[in-house]
Parts: sequence; C-alpha cells; structure tokens
Amino acid sequence: DGGITQSPKYLFRKEGQNVTLSCEQNLNHDAMYWYRQDPGQGLRLIYYSQIVNDFQKGDIAEGYSVSREKKESFPLTVTSAQKNPTAFYLCASSIGGLLYNQPQHFGDGTRLSIL
Amino acid sequence: KQEVTQIPAALSVPEGENLVLNCSFTDSAIYNLQWFRQDPGKGLTSLLLIQSSQREQTSGRLNASLDKSSGRSTLYIAASQPGDSATYLCAVVNAGNNRKLIWGLGTSLAVNP
Repeated sequence: DGGITQSPKYLFRKEGQNVTLSCEQNLNHDAMYWYRQDPGQGLRLIYYSQIVNDFQKGDIAEGYSVSREKKESFPLTVTSAQKNPTAFYLCASSIGGLLYNQPQHFGDGTRLSIL
Repeated sequence: KQEVTQIPAALSVPEGENLVLNCSFTDSAIYNLQWFRQDPGKGLTSLLLIQSSQREQTSGRLNASLDKSSGRSTLYIAASQPGDSATYLCAVVNAGNNRKLIWGLGTSLAVNP
C-alpha cells in the first residue's frame, strides 16, 4: 500500500545533539512538507519542498535543516540551535504542491523529547 | 492575516446523533478549504477538500459546506458512531502567491456508546 513512513516513532535528544527524523513516501508525490504540532497551537510549517534538490523555509525554520536528494525522501534535522524541540513532528506529501487542489497525505508522526 | 477558528473546541455526543462542526476564516480570498481527522498520537487523514468555486463536498456520512462570503465552513457528520471520535481539523489555502495551509486548532469529538 502507498503511504508515508516516519521513523522513529519516539526520539530523545540530549543537550547539544543534532537528531534526524526520517520521512519516506512511495506515493510518487512531488511535494513534501514538515510540520510541528504543539498543544494549543495549530500546525506550523517548518520546511517544504516542491521538487527534488529544492526546498523553502516555512514559518518556523530556525534551528532546523532539511535535504531533498531523492523524490521519496525528505529528512528533517533538528539541530542544537533549536532550543525548544519537544513537539510532535508530522511529515506530509501532496501531488504538485498547494496549487493543485489536492489534499496532503500525512505520516504517523515522530514525537521528540529532550532528555 | 488569515486566521482560522474552530468552535467548539470539544464536543461530546451520544451515538447516533447528527452533528455539525464549525470552521471560520477571516479572509475570504481562499484557494480551497480542507477538513482532516486526527486520532490520538497519529497523523492526519484528509476527509474532504472544497475548492473555492464549490459549495459543498460529500463523502459517505460526511458533508462539508463552504460559504466564502461569510468566511464559514461546516462539517456535518450523520449518524455518529464511536469510531468517529477524533480531533477534526480545518485548514485553508490562501489565494495569491504565498499559498500555504493555515490551520485551525481543531474540535475534539467524543461519540459515546
């Protein structure tokens, strides 16, 4: 079955450590997105990518980095510069980005906590 | 600046009731409006997408309406079931060059057997 796989499901970060969240899709979607979800706040966009080797900052990109070397993969690195990384991270993909009136498909998320 | 509000924040109903969830947005210049469902600790599942030129969309027991002029959308759930218990999120895509999803905080629904 086609879908989006995020791993790991739970992740713990030590002080000063960078951690990488994995996101893989087999839907053949061009666009991929990373969101952060915190209690009492709407989803916030961290980064998005409309095609391979291209990505743009979202609303809260500081302290995060991404790469898009393959169509299927869009890993997110939470760097030590992100001082409040504890949150639920969601990866999504869609056909052709937001211009195409197509819904986003989401993975099951990664919950990141600070040790 | 576009803002999306969902009322109520939480709702508890007995099984079998028909119910309405509300979503309002401040800027009527939208490209589309989307409804999602989120189960606890899980990702989101797309339910319905209404394009700006449409008035409603239906999928099974779900019907979503859109009134751009008043900045409102409703999600109607017919004959609710305990399996419908989840958080329902509304999001809009603004028209114009800076297109992105603007999210509401969701309505947490509990359907009691």
